[in-house]
Formats: sequence, C-alpha cells, structure tokens
Amino acid sequence: SAVISQKPSRDICQRGTSLTIQCQVDSQVTMMFWYRQQPGQSLTLIATANQGSEATYESGFVIDKFPISRPNLTFSTLTVSNMSPEDSSIYLCSVLLDSNQPQHFGDGTRLSIL
Amino acid sequence: GQNIDQPTEMTATEGAIVQINCTYQTSGFNGLFWYQQHAGEAPTFLSYNVLDGLEEKGRFSSFLSRSKGYSYLLLKELQMKDSASYLCAVRPPPGGNTPLVFGKGTRLSVIA
Repeated sequence: SAVISQKPSRDICQRGTSLTIQCQVDSQVTMMFWYRQQPGQSLTLIATANQGSEATYESGFVIDKFPISRPNLTFSTLTVSNMSPEDSSIYLCSVLLDSNQPQHFGDGTRLSIL
Repeated sequence: GQNIDQPTEMTATEGAIVQINCTYQTSGFNGLFWYQQHAGEAPTFLSYNVLDGLEEKGRFSSFLSRSKGYSYLLLKELQMKDSASYLCAVRPPPGGNTPLVFGKGTRLSVIA
C-alpha cells in the first residue's frame, strides 16, 4: 500500500473564508479522489483529481466551490471556498495505486465552520 | 446509478459470529469492497470480491453473488475492537479506475 499524508487534520474556520487541504502520497498513484463524510453519514464522492487537467466533479459539486489541483502523480489539493456551517464535515483523500485494486484513504480533515 | 443497501446497526456478543449483508442495484459492476471505519478514523480496506464466491482473510470473510446483487461480510470470534462501522462499496462501470460508491454503513456494537 502507500502512505497517504493529509493536512491539516482538523481546523475551525470562520464563515465566508476558504481552506485548502493537502494530500501527499509517498509513491505515484493511478488515481486520486476526494470524498466528504458528513456527521453520521457515509462517504460521498466530490470529484476525481486528474493530473494536469481539470477535476471531474460529481453531481452537486462544482469547481467554484471545491477547486481541486493535481500537479503531479503524488499530490493533490482540495479547497473548500466561501465556507458555511453546512460545509462542516470530514474531507478524505483517497488513492488508487493500480487499476482493479482497492482504494486507500488518508486520515481525513475534520472541518468545523462557525 | 447505484443503490447500495445495508442494515444501519447491529449488535453481537464477544466471541460470536456476525454476518453483515449488503445488496446493490447497479447498471454495471467491477467489484465489491468492504471497509472498516472506527469512530473518528479513516476507512481501512478489509476485503473485496470480483467473482462469485467466498474470500477468506483470517477472522473476516466476504461473499459475493453477482446474479443476486448480494454480498455479506462475516466476522468470526468477535472482539471488542471489532466495534466499528462496516462500509460496503461498489466499483461501477466503466472500468478498474472508477471511484467507489459507498453504502451508508453498518454500525456494529460488540458487547461482552
């Protein structure tokens, strides 16, 4: 497997501000994804981070609200923009080392918006 | 689209066996995965099935029937540390790089 480092691990932010979450993997990976897990809920896919091109967003998620970068095969960022209390959630980076394999997860970023 | 169903909560006794079921309706299928998630932690991979049948990994086994759209996770010799949420996930089409779609998870409580 791979070591997936996600930071920050948690943050408390003010309404209207933005926060960028980083995901660093210790080896090159095929795919990187971003998920959200709201309190007591399961995981919802936000987007697929594509290396060198725009991310692919799922229904209900847009680039203006969740801009994503993936400059290389080991690193990605997710920004949560213009935050509101409804954005309070855990945000998880997930990677796929190779096709037809399980995905692995970072430890997540626990975000609270006041 | 994907529709994945699993029970919300289960309780079982230490030392016993528990079976967590998962049913799915998908427009295609590229594998079914089980994850364990302890409270406040990230999901960790347990098992996956691509073909019909049983996959065994120590105390954990997973079964798949593609024709029935059905899987289960079997946990044997339950320990207190097995108290966690268990997430069933499906990889939809078109291929092996498609991101997983998760069910809502089953919260398992192991009691003495």
